[in-house]
Amino acid sequence: EDKVVQSPLSLVVHEGDTVTLNCSYEVTNFRSLLWYKQEKKAPTFLFMLTSSGIEKKSGRLSSILDKKELFSILNITATQTGDSAVYLCAGSPPGTYKYIFGTGTRLKVLA
Amino acid sequence: NAGVTQTPKFQVLKTGQSMTLQCAQDMNHNSMYWYRQDPGMGLRLIYYSASEGTTDKGEVPNGYNVSRLNKREFSLRLESAAPSQTSVYFCASLRTNTGELFFGEGSRLTVL
Repeated sequence: EDKVVQSPLSLVVHEGDTVTLNCSYEVTNFRSLLWYKQEKKAPTFLFMLTSSGIEKKSGRLSSILDKKELFSILNITATQTGDSAVYLCAGSPPGTYKYIFGTGTRLKVLA
Repeated sequence: NAGVTQTPKFQVLKTGQSMTLQCAQDMNHNSMYWYRQDPGMGLRLIYYSASEGTTDKGEVPNGYNVSRLNKREFSLRLESAAPSQTSVYFCASLRTNTGELFFGEGSRLTVL
């Protein structure tokens, strides 16, 4: 059964800290891996990763994929209180668009 | 742009009642999804439709049925609601070339 595992489950940091969130995919392979940020309502899209070793960046956020190890990390530098949210990752098995989400990492950034 | 529209936004049911959650997207996406989210949990896939005319089970399909009415619409039906189905339900559609899932605002369902 496909499974997406995220760690840590929760994290509390202070503004200005750098955080690394982890996502692993427990299947032999997958088509793509997605990262989302969820505040009060629906998740909002951050990144899609399909190729190993290629970093994607958006401002202070970046993500990279190790497809061989079925692992991805999401880095947030110089954190701000507005980064407080649940960060979700999702993967899909090869040949499908069946996206399975992990339980998320709850990040709280203190001023 | 309406994006993904879900109705209703809130619903209270009694155990054993039935209801249908409606979802429509105006982005011409092929794939559509229904997820549920319980407090402190991630999103769990109930059913998805990779394209018009097809539907497949997700992680937690028991107690639900779906219909892909046409390319735009994907409905989720609870035939006999149970308290365990109290949750927030999200519909989503997929922009295939970017992998971005577009979510509706969510429907909060309470089963008493």
